[in-house]
Amino acid sequence: ETGVTQTPRHLVMGMTNKKSLKCEQHLGHNAMYWYKQSAKKPLELMFVYSLEERVENNSVPSRFSPECPNSSHLFLHLHTLQPEDSALYLCASSQEVMNRYRDRFFHMYEQFFGPGTRLTVL
Amino acid sequence: TQLLEQSPQFLSIQEGENLTVYCNSSSVFSSLQWYRQEPGEGPVLLVTVVTGGEVKKLKRLTFQFGDARKDSSLHITAAQPGDTGLYLCAGVEGNTPLVFGKGTRLSVIA
Repeated sequence: ETGVTQTPRHLVMGMTNKKSLKCEQHLGHNAMYWYKQSAKKPLELMFVYSLEERVENNSVPSRFSPECPNSSHLFLHLHTLQPEDSALYLCASSQEVMNRYRDRFFHMYEQFFGPGTRLTVL
Repeated sequence: TQLLEQSPQFLSIQEGENLTVYCNSSSVFSSLQWYRQEPGEGPVLLVTVVTGGEVKKLKRLTFQFGDARKDSSLHITAAQPGDTGLYLCAGVEGNTPLVFGKGTRLSVIA
């Protein structure tokens, strides 16, 4: 396997179900992300893990619970979801580097995305 | 809050035509990235522009970063059906994660 893989590719679940999305990256990166992509909205960042530590949590409802057991794997545990949670859930990874340019340091987030899980909540 | 506005939202053109899509913000970004997303797939990075005024070419695609590093454009020459997809711009500033625009959905008709 190469790049970033996600399973399952499609998921239909009821509001009372519990399911998990899985992401695996084979790029040796040190940061992983979960995004939500809905129609007519920009990509919404949900969670960021850097060196297996959660560094960003964008006010995501507690019915979404991330888990990052190591730098190559990322999970998103789902429970009691709502129909409005139906969307494409994308996982991404990146190598966080500090790039010096004109005496300024900044991060270069060149992100590599998986194919996504298309989630439908009934 | 940093926002990236992309225009047009939708674009449908004939094969062989040229087109330009835009990515604008009131915020300054240290770098800006362009991604293309095809149906059923995740976005794929096309290019990163870093310097104000920078122009990068990728075959028939030309990317430009505005002098003030607030805006960017993507020009496609002689569009082909394989160019069809959602074009996303994303800005980087400091230690904050990427900020994405809503994208331009391009359809190139043979």
